[in-house]
Amino acid sequence: QQPVQSPQAVILREGEDAVINCSSSKALYSVHWYRQKHGEAPIFLMILLKGGEQKGHDKISASFNEKKQQSSLYLTASQLSYSGTYFCGTVRMDSSYKLIFGSGTRLLVRP
Amino acid sequence: GAGVSQSPSNKVTEKGKDVELRCDPISGHTALYWYRQRLGQGLEFLIYFQGNSAPDKSGLPSDRFSAERTGESVSTLTIQRTQQEDSAVYLCASSFGGGQGDTQYFGPGTRLTVL
Repeated sequence: QQPVQSPQAVILREGEDAVINCSSSKALYSVHWYRQKHGEAPIFLMILLKGGEQKGHDKISASFNEKKQQSSLYLTASQLSYSGTYFCGTVRMDSSYKLIFGSGTRLLVRP
Repeated sequence: GAGVSQSPSNKVTEKGKDVELRCDPISGHTALYWYRQRLGQGLEFLIYFQGNSAPDKSGLPSDRFSAERTGESVSTLTIQRTQQEDSAVYLCASSFGGGQGDTQYFGPGTRLTVL
């Protein structure tokens, strides 16, 4: 029941936009987005709750479509610091706490 | 400290030895989680604590793995008779509560290498 992330990898030039998708076959309570740089711990980006919502800060935003059980992470005007692996973690409606992570999307931003 | 801390940061051991990994959660966080991340892969849930009880141990790979937590504080993950397939980064996270909408904050991890 691991969520499916797409694409697996993205290469961008600085200033370009990207979208990363995360979908689940199970009803979700929440979707959590993290970014991990090589050799470091995952850093929390944002959480979206059931009911469908959008969130954002700076040039990174996300949406959660409850009907489709799909979340998308939007990276606008990408910066070099955005490089890393992005993971979505999902909490199912029938689980109070367990985060099940997708396999990740590797993002590389080049000058 | 302000964040989740883990020790040691790196551990190299020989096959068959036991290892203990330690996690100090953020002060005031009642929930604590252990995950495993193999090289180039995503995070795999191992166990969850609410206070010092572990309502879900379903992610532990085998009976060689066990974990304890003292109150709402330190947790120890113990791996007995380590095998090479146990090599991974073991990450600990904590959250204020154990709810479905709670943010989990991760520590830097312990990189375990079993020779």
